Amino acid sequence: DVKVTQSSRYLVKRTGEKVFLECVQDMDHENMFWYRQDPGLGLRLIYFSYDVKMKEKGDIPEGYSVSREKKERFSLILESASTNQTSMYLCASRTQDTEAFFGQGTRLTVV
Amino acid sequence: GNSVTQMEGPVTLSEEAFLTINCTYTATGYPSLFWYVQYPGEGLQLLLKATKADDKGSNKGFEATYRKETTSFHLEKGSVQVSDSAVYFCAPGPGGFKTIFGAGTRLFVKA
Repeated sequence: DVKVTQSSRYLVKRTGEKVFLECVQDMDHENMFWYRQDPGLGLRLIYFSYDVKMKEKGDIPEGYSVSREKKERFSLILESASTNQTSMYLCASRTQDTEAFFGQGTRLTVV
Repeated sequence: GNSVTQMEGPVTLSEEAFLTINCTYTATGYPSLFWYVQYPGEGLQLLLKATKADDKGSNKGFEATYRKETTSFHLEKGSVQVSDSAVYFCAPGPGGFKTIFGAGTRLFVKA
């Protein structure tokens, strides 16, 4: 069974902390994505990566960075967490032509 | 780039009622079309897809037909169940590297 696995289901962090969200896929997909999901706003793309060490900004990259050192792993980094980054974070992967496969999501609360 | 307009929710139905969730899109060329479903507390998962005009995707009693002339991909189900309560996302794509999602339509089904 194909899988995208996010490291945490729930996370509580303090304002100003550096936060790492990890995502691993076992499908050898080239493309990986980080979205955040907020009520009434749907899914918004933060960053995506189409190859190892390659990254592109999505629609809302401010306050975030990413790392893709290995093909199967795509990390989202909140350099200095703020309360407005409290959200559900979803990782996804796909090949160039197929549907996206999603992780189970990480619900992050910044206090 | 691609864009999608999806019916606003929430939609509340009684069990065994007929469901339609409208979706229209704009896209370069003729992309594959997808419906995803998100059950409470989970990530998104593929519900069905259609890869070319006039194709009908189907799964779990849900259907959607790729209408090129109206650029639509409406989701239908003849008789909904309580277990269908979820958020449904329409997505044209892949559309290059990005995958664009509709805002999502929340469905509540009452017993």
